[in-house]
Amino acid sequence: GAGVSQSPSNKVTEKGKDVELRCDPISGHTALYWYRQSLGQGLEFLIYFQGNSAPDKSGLPSDRFSAERTGGSVSTLTIQRTQQEDSAVYLCASSFDPGSYNSPLHFGNGTRLTVT
Amino acid sequence: QQPVQSPQAVILREGEDAVINCSSSKALYSVHWYRQKHGEAPVFLMILLKGGEQKGHDKISASFNEKKQQSSLYLTASQLSYSGTYFCGTLGTYKYIFGTGTRLKVLA
Repeated sequence: GAGVSQSPSNKVTEKGKDVELRCDPISGHTALYWYRQSLGQGLEFLIYFQGNSAPDKSGLPSDRFSAERTGGSVSTLTIQRTQQEDSAVYLCASSFDPGSYNSPLHFGNGTRLTVT
Repeated sequence: QQPVQSPQAVILREGEDAVINCSSSKALYSVHWYRQKHGEAPVFLMILLKGGEQKGHDKISASFNEKKQQSSLYLTASQLSYSGTYFCGTLGTYKYIFGTGTRLKVLA
């Protein structure tokens, strides 16, 4: 696609419910990243995919968070039993060649998650 | 491990200059700079590679000193459109880490 696409753009959910956030990276980009950004804060690394595998899951805040990527393309970030502290903007980014220092990240517009 | 940026925030008048610094405790092989406007996603500005390379983008330029493990972003004759939060980013093993961020506001 022309850019990184994320859906939904906004999600309001009740505490305790599960949510799924979707990311469709730029076609041909092998690396995919998920970040979380709380209001007025920086970019917190969650997980990185190279193809379909995730060599680094260290950024996931708890075992309620999981992510997968299929076909080397679309990725889904799932949050189970949501808590109010999960409220944030979840950003997805992709890059062409993760091993190259020349390859910047391209971001989607994010999903704003509000847990009530 | 996260690069530290300074200052945390800066307010400028249109036409003034600013410098944003990014320092890392680990070796840097490249630095990328991004700008995030309020309510929007970060947008890539420029890449700096080893060798003390400097780059320019309009009136925004940057330098990279790998020995000092730091990079600086220079904004010259700032415009209202420069307002936003600036992040440096660096590639680690399996991770792409962003700096702490610098909020810049340009006033008319």
